[in-house]
Amino acid sequence: EDQVTQSPEALRLQEGESSSLNCSYTVSGLRGLFWYRQDPGKGPEFLFTLYSAGEEKEKERLKATLTKKESFLHITAPKPEDSATYLCAVRRNYGGSQGNLIFGKGTKLSVKP
Amino acid sequence: DAGVIQSPRHEVTEMGQEVTLRCKPISGHDYLFWYRQTMMRGLELLIYFNNNVPIDDSGMPEDRFSAKMPNASFSTLKIQPSEPRDSAVYFCASSFYGADTQYFGPGTRLTVL
Repeated sequence: EDQVTQSPEALRLQEGESSSLNCSYTVSGLRGLFWYRQDPGKGPEFLFTLYSAGEEKEKERLKATLTKKESFLHITAPKPEDSATYLCAVRRNYGGSQGNLIFGKGTKLSVKP
Repeated sequence: DAGVIQSPRHEVTEMGQEVTLRCKPISGHDYLFWYRQTMMRGLELLIYFNNNVPIDDSGMPEDRFSAKMPNASFSTLKIQPSEPRDSAVYFCASSFYGADTQYFGPGTRLTVL
């Protein structure tokens, strides 16, 4: 059964304190791993897609990495505006069709000034 | 582009009433997804459409739930009759074939009393 587990459930950081969020997955044939950011009362906002082990993507203070079993979202010198819930999702390879995303339950990040 | 549009943003109803949620996908997108988000289960796919045709409805919890997409710019998710356990945030997302990224709407928060 395809499964996505994120840890920790919640993370409190001081401004400038770097850390990492973890996403462990089991899926039959990974087509892609996705990171989304969700602010309270809003829909998930796309951040990154990773397709193969060893791939890395960066955006401002965020860097996502992928191995065969997990992905990390590294946050360097976070600011209070980085506070949000970060969601990880995977899509199985359906041989060309879209298929559906399987989401983890997210990590709620709070960054204190 | 205005992004994915959902209405209403909030819906409060009583048990047994019919509820209709609406979604307008991003223009040009040929995939449309309906998700439900709860604290217990996270974000779960209910059904998705390709070119207005339902492709996978295995996530629809019961026969009380139904979804339609009469044209490329409009979809509805209907719950009849509604129950308190249907209370959740319902998201609509869209994408186009060849692009893995799904773009989410702001969601409809449903409360069934």
